[in-house]
Amino acid sequence: DAMVIQNPRYQVTQFGKPVTLSCSQTLNHNVMYWYQQKSSQAPKLLFHYYDKDFNNEADTPDNFQSRRPNTSFCFLDIRSPGLGDAAMYLCATSRDGTGNTEAFFGQGTRLTVV
Amino acid sequence: GEDVEQSLFLSVREGDSSVINCTYTDSSSTYLYWYKQEPGAGLQLLTYIFSNMDMKQDQRLTVLLNKKDKHLSLRIADTQTGDSAIYFCAEKDFGTSYGKLTFGQGTILTVHP
Repeated sequence: DAMVIQNPRYQVTQFGKPVTLSCSQTLNHNVMYWYQQKSSQAPKLLFHYYDKDFNNEADTPDNFQSRRPNTSFCFLDIRSPGLGDAAMYLCATSRDGTGNTEAFFGQGTRLTVV
Repeated sequence: GEDVEQSLFLSVREGDSSVINCTYTDSSSTYLYWYKQEPGAGLQLLTYIFSNMDMKQDQRLTVLLNKKDKHLSLRIADTQTGDSAIYFCAEKDFGTSYGKLTFGQGTILTVHP
């Protein structure tokens, strides 16, 4: 059974129109991450939540925000999507991020901006 | 910051061994991972190695680590068409407390019948 679920799998949005991607987990993990993976590139961490504490990577654009209303759910909000934001967005969870605690990834949401 | 690099393409015949290579820059103790990504899917953890180990074997997978050269490889024995995918090397950043992974660009493995 899927433990990290992302919805939708495919999302098409208009240039400049706010869009929200969803991630849920059944693992009760403390840490939830959002990675951006552009075509033929490495996944890149945008931000993460440790419980309710939000942490932005230094080079994550202001256009990207996140919400975590409870342990199970985390949302990625793109306020004004540009063509350069078209990518696969990967959600992952980890028990606590330390040592060798494994990161579990969802299937990803492929975002197209038109 | 950390940097992870991989060769982009590898093509092998079914039944042969595949060797995917990766180099990393972090000189401190770290965990190194191999993930598999099939078309349109998320990342699946295949195996990992801690930087104080030289080798780890898990069924058809063998990970070799040369810490001096910061070189990591993944060998897949008896490669099958179902192994065709993108393989990512990743390094856990011990400089953070939250398990940030730094990924290479991925190696596209194509297995021919």
